[in-house]
Amino acid sequence: QKEVEQNSGPLSVPEGAIASLNCTYSDRGSQSFFWYRQYSGKSPELIMSIYSNGDKEDGRFTAQLNKASQYVSLLIRDSQPSDSATYLCAVLPTGGFKTIFGAGTRLFVKA
Amino acid sequence: DTEVTQTPKHLVMGMTNKKSLKCEQHMGHRAMYWYKQKAKKPPELMFVYSYEKLSINESVPSRFSPECPNSSLLNLHLHALQPEDSALYLCASSQLAGGTNEQFFGPGTRLTVL
Repeated sequence: QKEVEQNSGPLSVPEGAIASLNCTYSDRGSQSFFWYRQYSGKSPELIMSIYSNGDKEDGRFTAQLNKASQYVSLLIRDSQPSDSATYLCAVLPTGGFKTIFGAGTRLFVKA
Repeated sequence: DTEVTQTPKHLVMGMTNKKSLKCEQHMGHRAMYWYKQKAKKPPELMFVYSYEKLSINESVPSRFSPECPNSSLLNLHLHALQPEDSALYLCASSQLAGGTNEQFFGPGTRLTVL
């Protein structure tokens, strides 16, 4: 069974701090990794994708991938109350069409 | 146009009704997906269409019937649903299925089965 695991949280950080969200996956052959943000009652919104080991930065967001450790993370710098949402880690195994989603981490940013 | 649209936004139906959910994208994507999401759970894949052909059916009950009339449209026909089918139904699309292709979700249809 291919799995994606996330800490369900809630993760609470003060405004302006760095929020660190973590995800591990079981299929060593996975090649594509995505982070989605989902506000309550809304649909998931793609915020980052990463395919190679290392860091990928986009504005306040940095995705980090370590395939040897089967670990992917999302850092949110200068966290804002508007970042409060559930963050879903998603992994696409090699050759597959089925994206495997983690259960999501709820993030609260306190003003 | 970088949007996936879904109609209706909300749907309430009885267990004997027949209804359809509709999804449309104009991004030239050739893969489209139906997901079901229950509260506080991640999206669960139901169906994948690639080049208008059904590629994946995740053992979904036959009371859910997908249809892909053309590369821009995806329907989900509903018949004889159960109350436990109440959920948020999400449509997504990607350039191609699999690989590095990012999926973009529509706003969803909130379905309540009475």
